[in-house]
Amino acid sequence: GDSVTQMEGPVTLSEEAFLTINCTYTATGYPSLFWYVQYPGEGLQLLLKATKADDKGSNKGFEATYRKETTSFHLEKGSVQVSDSAVYFCALSGGATNKLIFGTGTLLAVQP
Amino acid sequence: GAVVSQHPSRVICKSGTSVKIECRSLDFQATTMFWYRQFPKKSLMLMATSNEGSKATYEQGVEKDKFLINHASLTLSTLTVTSAHPEDSSFYICSAKSIRTSGVVSGETQYFGPGTRLLVL
Repeated sequence: GDSVTQMEGPVTLSEEAFLTINCTYTATGYPSLFWYVQYPGEGLQLLLKATKADDKGSNKGFEATYRKETTSFHLEKGSVQVSDSAVYFCALSGGATNKLIFGTGTLLAVQP
Repeated sequence: GAVVSQHPSRVICKSGTSVKIECRSLDFQATTMFWYRQFPKKSLMLMATSNEGSKATYEQGVEKDKFLINHASLTLSTLTVTSAHPEDSSFYICSAKSIRTSGVVSGETQYFGPGTRLLVL
């Protein structure tokens, strides 16, 4: 079945460091890919998405490119801030089912 | 646009009582709403898919008689945890999917509520 694999956290970085959170997927067909962010004590917010191969989603300095050849959707940011500290979830939908399939989440902690 | 609310945000109840959680799409119509449960430091587990005007579809292992879902309108779904017990304590999150793409609202995207923290004593 469809699945999403994320790098395990926590990821601890200093402010202004470069961020990469790896995400790979297994899916039937051509899924849409998403990154959601969950700040402490809150629900999930859509961060960015890509709906077809080679699309790049971007928002708030974060970006991720839909790579069909490597079945990946890695999240990157050039310079993280303390306020980026949160749990990041990679997800897909539209593969074998219309359900949203989540990865396990990666906790990012940014230190001043 | 694409705002989903949940009420209440936090609830504490005694074991054996029932608790109702509301999920509303505030500025779009949602034919489909989803209910998730999130355990501490874990990912979201889909409990059920709720379609307006029809019975919810429950995921394997989720007791439909314990977690009652009603989707009476295009903007409201409710989850009732019946005869709650301490093991039902969790963070419950709903999401809604728009019937169409319009403006900033995408028909392909699930928009999440802020979650409801349930504590059963």
